[in-house]
Amino acid sequence: SQTIHQWPATLVQPVGSPLSLECTVEGTSNPNLYWYRQAAGRGLQLLFYSIGIDQISSEVPQNLSASRPQDRQFILSSKKLLLSDSGFYLCAWSDPGQGSKTEAFFGQGTRLTVV
Amino acid sequence: AQSVSQHNHHVILSEAASLELGCNYSYGGTVNLFWYVQYPGQHLQLLLKYFSGDPLVKGIKGFEAEFIKSKFSFNLRKPSVQWSDTAEYFCAVSEFGNEKLTFGTGTRLTIIP
Repeated sequence: SQTIHQWPATLVQPVGSPLSLECTVEGTSNPNLYWYRQAAGRGLQLLFYSIGIDQISSEVPQNLSASRPQDRQFILSSKKLLLSDSGFYLCAWSDPGQGSKTEAFFGQGTRLTVV
Repeated sequence: AQSVSQHNHHVILSEAASLELGCNYSYGGTVNLFWYVQYPGQHLQLLLKYFSGDPLVKGIKGFEAEFIKSKFSFNLRKPSVQWSDTAEYFCAVSEFGNEKLTFGTGTRLTIIP
């Protein structure tokens, strides 16, 4: 069966420090991968999605970047964190074989607090 | 760009009351529709989904949703809610042929025993 791992679960970082959140998927190959940010009153905002290695789409201009160094690994990064980067970050995957009909499967999320 | 609206931000109901949560989307073409639920302390999970066919779809835990194409809506319903339904509910839409999944802002549902 497929599983998604996201870490760390919580993170407190000072303003100006770098960020690296990692997400890996097991039990499937060439998944679609997503990074969302969940903020109160704003729902889930899609930050990045990827349909393959080095194929990453950015949805909103921001202080963050994403990379997919391996087929089932998706990394969310920042060179210098801002206070406004605080939030709950969710990684998700979907089966590309189902096209747009596939549901997304979510990780447990990372609570990031920038201080 | 695709957008999804959930106008109910916080709904408070007593147990056994009926529930309807609204969801409207903006895309005029063929869409795939989803409702996700996030129970306190748990990860997001799929409640139900609609791709084609019967516009009334049934999901887990007694939930159902109706797709009304003319209204661009996919409202979630449950005839009689339970305390355990307390959670946050998200509507999501993807356009046919596009794997990008767009979520609404979510509705927090609180059930009073």
